[in-house]
Amino acid sequence: DVKVTQSSRYLVKRTGEKVFLECVQDMDHENMFWYRQDPGLGLRLIYFSYDVKMKEKGDIPEGYSVSREKKERFSLILESASTNQTSMYLCASSLPETDTQYFGPGTRLTVL
Amino acid sequence: QKEVEQNSGPLSVPEGAIASLNCTYSDRVSQSFFWYRQYSGKSPELIMSIYSNGDKEDGRFTAQLNKASQYVSLLIRDSQPSDSATYLCAVNRDDYKLSFGAGTTVTVRA
Repeated sequence: DVKVTQSSRYLVKRTGEKVFLECVQDMDHENMFWYRQDPGLGLRLIYFSYDVKMKEKGDIPEGYSVSREKKERFSLILESASTNQTSMYLCASSLPETDTQYFGPGTRLTVL
Repeated sequence: QKEVEQNSGPLSVPEGAIASLNCTYSDRVSQSFFWYRQYSGKSPELIMSIYSNGDKEDGRFTAQLNKASQYVSLLIRDSQPSDSATYLCAVNRDDYKLSFGAGTTVTVRA
């Protein structure tokens, strides 16, 4: 069974704080993804990584950065959190030969 | 135009009935199609994938794909209260990425 874990289920931060969200997968997947999910907007891709140290911007990368130093770990960084980044953040991983993505449990981030 | 569109919910069906969910997509070259189920407050969980035209059955779930019409659907037979969730349609795009629809919320009433 694929297991994707995320560092926190709930997080509350203040405006301007630097925020780290971590994601770890245990299935040796090359591809990893960060999404945010907002009511009525569905899942939107923030960043994507297809290998260690490789990253690619998704559809809404502004205000975010990522780090992938090890294959199993993909971190999302909010350099200076803002209230409009309050959202559910979902990490996913997949093998390159399939498009099937497996999701972590999500982190509900609130920025005050 | 949105890349992936789903029929707007919520969809309410009686227990034991068939729930029918529809999804259209805009990119003609898409080859992989997925249905995810998401319970309230939880993350999406893959329930079906389909790659070829026609029907694919898995238990009470049937996915149908028509690439010429750019249409994919999900049927849930013998709906149960535990099927009450939001169902997300996803379609592959370039470089292993997926585009997701906004989801259709299904409520199965006892």
